[in-house]
Amino acid sequence: DAGVIQSPRHEVTEMGQEVTLRCKPISGHDYLFWYRQTMMRGLELLIYFNNNVPIDDSGMPEDRFSAKMPNASFSTLKIQPSEPRDSAVYFCASAISGNTIYFGEGSWLTVV
Amino acid sequence: RKEVEQDPGPFNVPEGATVAFNCTYSNSASQSFFWYRQDCRKEPKLLMSVYSSGNEDGRFTAQLNRASQYISLLIRDSKLSDSATYLCVVNKHSNYQLIWGAGTKLIIKP
Repeated sequence: DAGVIQSPRHEVTEMGQEVTLRCKPISGHDYLFWYRQTMMRGLELLIYFNNNVPIDDSGMPEDRFSAKMPNASFSTLKIQPSEPRDSAVYFCASAISGNTIYFGEGSWLTVV
Repeated sequence: RKEVEQDPGPFNVPEGATVAFNCTYSNSASQSFFWYRQDCRKEPKLLMSVYSSGNEDGRFTAQLNRASQYISLLIRDSKLSDSATYLCVVNKHSNYQLIWGAGTKLIIKP
């Protein structure tokens, strides 16, 4: 079975550019999560969706970040404009209610 | 004080030894607890859930102490492949209010 699929796996972009990260959750999972991980701050929840509806976006750093889930099989996390401090690994994860969270392999973002 | 605290390590342990580490949490109303494992440059993966009565999965044993608000992970007969960062996760409420520890790094040496 396919796991959570994220793209791109690696991205290097210049400060000020728009970055779009994509995620395809595991089929049948009704929860989708976006996490960010850095050495300094560890794993942070940015936002999560239930049945395509955003439930908690309190972890989204600021207005430069936005996330959408137009359907059950696709979500995007957008950063506009990007800044060097946004450099991190961004994980997408999905789950069936009450069960284990499965992570994608991550999108490694470097903003120079 | 952080909601979930772990000793960052690293714990350097010889192969075959037993190693244990704890994770403390601050919210006494926390409902469920997990250990995740994360290999270098990889995603976190569930190692085991932690049940009130304690539970074992092969060489791994997890314990919960609600009175003292900590969970523990014990690894027996450690293998080189156990080298990883172990993340403690606490669910504050009924649905995915997950709080992640910063992780404990474990290095098993031959």
